[in-house]
Amino acid sequence: GESVGLHLPTLSVQEGDNSIINCAYSNSASDYFIWYKQESGKGPQFIIDIRSNMDKRQGQRVTVLLNKTVKHLSLQIAATQPGDSAVYFCAETYFGNEKLTFGTGTRLTIIP
Amino acid sequence: DAGVTQSPTHLIKTRGQHVTLRCSPISGHKSVSWYQQVLGQGPQFIFQYYEKEERGRGNFPDRFSARQFPNYSSELNVNALLLGDSALYLCASSWRADNEQFFGPGTRLTVL
Repeated sequence: GESVGLHLPTLSVQEGDNSIINCAYSNSASDYFIWYKQESGKGPQFIIDIRSNMDKRQGQRVTVLLNKTVKHLSLQIAATQPGDSAVYFCAETYFGNEKLTFGTGTRLTIIP
Repeated sequence: DAGVTQSPTHLIKTRGQHVTLRCSPISGHKSVSWYQQVLGQGPQFIFQYYEKEERGRGNFPDRFSARQFPNYSSELNVNALLLGDSALYLCASSWRADNEQFFGPGTRLTVL
């Protein structure tokens, strides 16, 4: 079946720098995308979402970019902090669907 | 406000036994979804319930079953446990079936 994947399984970033986590999706019917952060021993925490009628959406220190032409989305985290260290998942779904399809995740490590 | 709660936090079972996991959604949320997360992977969809009816089922055997109660809480049951059922079981709630999902902390199931 179709799935969501990630380009980089691990990413190390210096504290204070910006980080970019990438995600490729293959289901062209997907119209809703979400980024989750999962810390050790915890459930996924919603970070930001974007619908297919948008190219960019900004939150607090985070920006999600969606490129439907190449089926790619990214999560940008500005001025990274030690608390940003976690595994980040992108997930996709579409209107009327009942499930989220997750990728395998990227582990982000912030170097002090 | 209380988020999604799950019980128990940890559980150890032996092969062949059955297990019941419980989830209480965020107040006002009518939809509950269950996911299985094997170590090192993204969550995999098991079930979604909305207004006490099953709305979706993932690619899991019939040993897995669930139900939703009038107060919108939910139980996930797994019969004839296998070693491969060892995982973090996540519950997510949303206001409607196609809304943003909020995850609980999960139940860590270990099958020996």
